[in-house]
Amino acid sequence: GESVGLHLPTLSVQEGDNSIINCAYSNSASDYFIWYKQESGKGPQFIIDIRSNMDKRQGQRVTVLLNKTVKHLSLQIAATQPGDSAVYFCAENRGSQGNLIFGKGTKLSVKP
Amino acid sequence: KAGVTQTPRYLIKTRGQQVTLSCSPISGHRSVSWYQQTPGQGLQFLFEYFSETQRNKGNFPGRFSGRQFSNSRSEMNVSTLELGDSALYLCASSLVVAGELEQFFGPGTRLTVL
Repeated sequence: GESVGLHLPTLSVQEGDNSIINCAYSNSASDYFIWYKQESGKGPQFIIDIRSNMDKRQGQRVTVLLNKTVKHLSLQIAATQPGDSAVYFCAENRGSQGNLIFGKGTKLSVKP
Repeated sequence: KAGVTQTPRYLIKTRGQQVTLSCSPISGHRSVSWYQQTPGQGLQFLFEYFSETQRNKGNFPGRFSGRQFSNSRSEMNVSTLELGDSALYLCASSLVVAGELEQFFGPGTRLTVL
């Protein structure tokens, strides 16, 4: 599969546990944030997004939290499953144009 | 609805050559963005095309260029290839819906420069 990072932070969790992946973003003017999941050999896949006028958004088994004061974003995955094993990236955007700025990524490993 | 397609999926070139990669966006999407992904630098934005015009540009040398056709399909070109250009090149097509950006990625083209 594709190598997406030799020195990525790694989070290892037990199947069924909750996972929290953190991200610090760089531009205080960013108004839109997205979490992507990338599996080996595939392009990034959209998970969930949040606008800067919100501090929390929930999806199916996932929750994104935004703290603009400290420029911090987190992704919470409930009841983590082996299929959640992947590299997770946060991305920031300003102005709804297609020029995302990506974080370095976190590798999530789920132990059965 | 078909997703974003990229061709070729794999490519091997030698230093000094040039290469052209192709991307077909999701039907109805007018914006196409290109990204370079490497183990060392992660995902980096190259450029974005919207309605055949370059709308945004990342911090890459002029050897990297692109274009978009009237049917929204896009190509990117890298001239005078260097070893450091070896990477996964990802294309994403975008649509703004109710003020929210929906960006979908293709599987990428793996370029190896020898």
